[in-house]
Amino acid sequence: NAGVMQNPRHLVRRRGQEARLRCSPMKGHSHVYWYRQLPEEGLKFMVYLQKENIIDESGMPKERFSAEFPKEGPSILRIQQVVRGDSAAYFCASSPSPPRGNQPQHFGDGTRLSIL
Amino acid sequence: GQQLNQSPQSMFIQEGEDVSMNCTSSSIFNTWLWYKQDPGEGPVLLIALYKAGELTSNGRLTAQFGITRKDSFLNISASIPSDVGIYFCAGSGSQGNLIFGKGTKLSVKP
Repeated sequence: NAGVMQNPRHLVRRRGQEARLRCSPMKGHSHVYWYRQLPEEGLKFMVYLQKENIIDESGMPKERFSAEFPKEGPSILRIQQVVRGDSAAYFCASSPSPPRGNQPQHFGDGTRLSIL
Repeated sequence: GQQLNQSPQSMFIQEGEDVSMNCTSSSIFNTWLWYKQDPGEGPVLLIALYKAGELTSNGRLTAQFGITRKDSFLNISASIPSDVGIYFCAGSGSQGNLIFGKGTKLSVKP
């Protein structure tokens, strides 16, 4: 009964490179949320996706960041032309039903992104 | 925007002590959640609250959802060393996205 799986756990990139973070939700979950956490801070919402649809991307930076959740395969958070300020822990959470179903989100163990 | 204020920011515990922390907001939330995060790991759900005034327990943990839907507290009774970590409150936004407080860090008294 696997939980939310994120990979890689640690990712190092040089400035200007691309970072791809993957998230496989819990079995049976079709709703995925991405959050970013800076040191000593709480998690900040970035984007909410269902299969093949972006529902809410109000927390995503307008440039360089994109997310997808294809029909098959994991959800991907993509950061192009990374900068030092992108260094953070990125967490994915999944839930089995829409928000009104009151199903709480379960989190993966995150990807720690370091930009050199 | 919606914000959650968590207090205290940090606290030291001695084994066996009871611990209390709380969270307040200027906005109303329909769902309130408490998570614990250990270093290098993701948040783990402790308690979920759905109804105003609801009091819910999970082992030594007890949480209540304020009657105004703008606050919540979490109590830990008879603390043990593994209770150390960071505790986050989170309110559920209109699209189901979570708004997190900044956390209460629990450490062991030296």
